[in-house]
Amino acid sequence: GAGVSQTPSNKVTEKGKYVELRCDPISGHTALYWYRQSLGQGPEFLIYFQGTGAADDSGLPNDRFFAVRPEGSVSTLKIQRTERGDSAVYLCASSLMDSSYNEQFFGPGTRLTVL
Amino acid sequence: AQKVTQAQTEISVVEKEDVTLDCVYETRDTTYYLFWYKQPPSGELVFLIRRNSFDEQNEISGRYSWNFQKSTSSFNFTITASQVVDSAVYFCALSGSYQKVTFGTGTKLQVIP
Repeated sequence: GAGVSQTPSNKVTEKGKYVELRCDPISGHTALYWYRQSLGQGPEFLIYFQGTGAADDSGLPNDRFFAVRPEGSVSTLKIQRTERGDSAVYLCASSLMDSSYNEQFFGPGTRLTVL
Repeated sequence: AQKVTQAQTEISVVEKEDVTLDCVYETRDTTYYLFWYKQPPSGELVFLIRRNSFDEQNEISGRYSWNFQKSTSSFNFTITASQVVDSAVYFCALSGSYQKVTFGTGTKLQVIP
């Protein structure tokens, strides 16, 4: 089947605006992860879902960031009142089961630019 | 707290040379998993290998090999006879008791023809 897909691939917005980034995981994968990758850095963990619930949201930088996965499949990362520092590539990954052992499959990312 | 250190920011080699990418990790977990990912210029992270903390056997896959040493908390990656297609950023990563994966800052490998 298809891999992890993310939309849009690029998003340009103005400071203070609201944005939504979408992730479609691999069918059947119960675990879903969001990461943020700034230029020259490795991916930084934001949040992890097991099914519909956020099992670990310790990586969300502040309350402007929120993510949902209402039906246990597609997830949306929401950023309110965007700031220039939010500019980064946002990566989504999914894995088969709730275990560190399972490989995470990454999507191509959404490049967010806040002007 | 988990930490992954990739001290080499950029490496350049001439095609067909061997190259080793270093990775040092820190964790308090007794069970943990180590990973290597490749990120080509296209941007998508590609999984290369996973090791668990109980298996210190070195592994070879084609031109790739991995050396895991718990005594030095290192998980180094060697590419033999490098090729231009190996040019990419390589990330070492660590996952412990929880699902959170901690990535290193990456090593950019440039293979010159």
